[in-house]
Amino acid sequence: EVQLLESGGGLVQPGGSLRLSCAASAFTFSNYAMSWVRQAPGKGLEWVSTISGSGGSTYSADSVKGRFTISRDNSKNTLYLQINSLRAEDTAIYYCAKSGGAPYDPFDIWGQGTTVTVSS
Amino acid sequence: EIVLTQSPATLSLSPGERATLSCRASQSVSSYLSWYQQKPGQAPRLLIYDASNRATGIPARFSGSGSGTDFTLTISSLEPEDSAVYYCQQRINWPLTFGGGTKVEIK
Repeated sequence: EVQLLESGGGLVQPGGSLRLSCAASAFTFSNYAMSWVRQAPGKGLEWVSTISGSGGSTYSADSVKGRFTISRDNSKNTLYLQINSLRAEDTAIYYCAKSGGAPYDPFDIWGQGTTVTVSS
Repeated sequence: EIVLTQSPATLSLSPGERATLSCRASQSVSSYLSWYQQKPGQAPRLLIYDASNRATGIPARFSGSGSGTDFTLTISSLEPEDSAVYYCQQRINWPLTFGGGTKVEIK
């Protein structure tokens, strides 16, 4: 069964950093683009960042450019999101999601999410 | 940025009734429109991609239609387990964007 398992969330002070991870299983990880999508408490879904299967192309929302960095290690079947200079408005559940072969393909598999709380 | 506007915000219907959810784009997205279902405490699930294609394992009571700027998700006969928030999402342009969601309540 295709699975995505996020980890790395937690409580962090404003200005702090975290690295989120998403471990993938039961599919050829390097063949698929991967993304992060977040959801603030009681709010809707917000796309954050996408990386191509090879890792050679990345795309990010303006709200996180310069602060968040998406990356992947295909040898470990793992997706990452390095999040720096955290703000209160970054508080959210962060989901990793698998796309199709192209970076803009629909999100067909989602993890259960990891919660990031930014507070002093 | 393409803005997706969903209506209504909330839909309250009885089991067996037909639900019609709308998603309107601020500019054409051709057919590159997906629908997701999110139940409380769960991750979203892909229902429909490219406006009208059901994802793997999605029941036939879910259908999508539309192109350009106006799209519809129809649930032909509501089941109690269809209580959820439904989001549309476009993939024609970066940034990828989602609509604000429609909450479907089952009476």
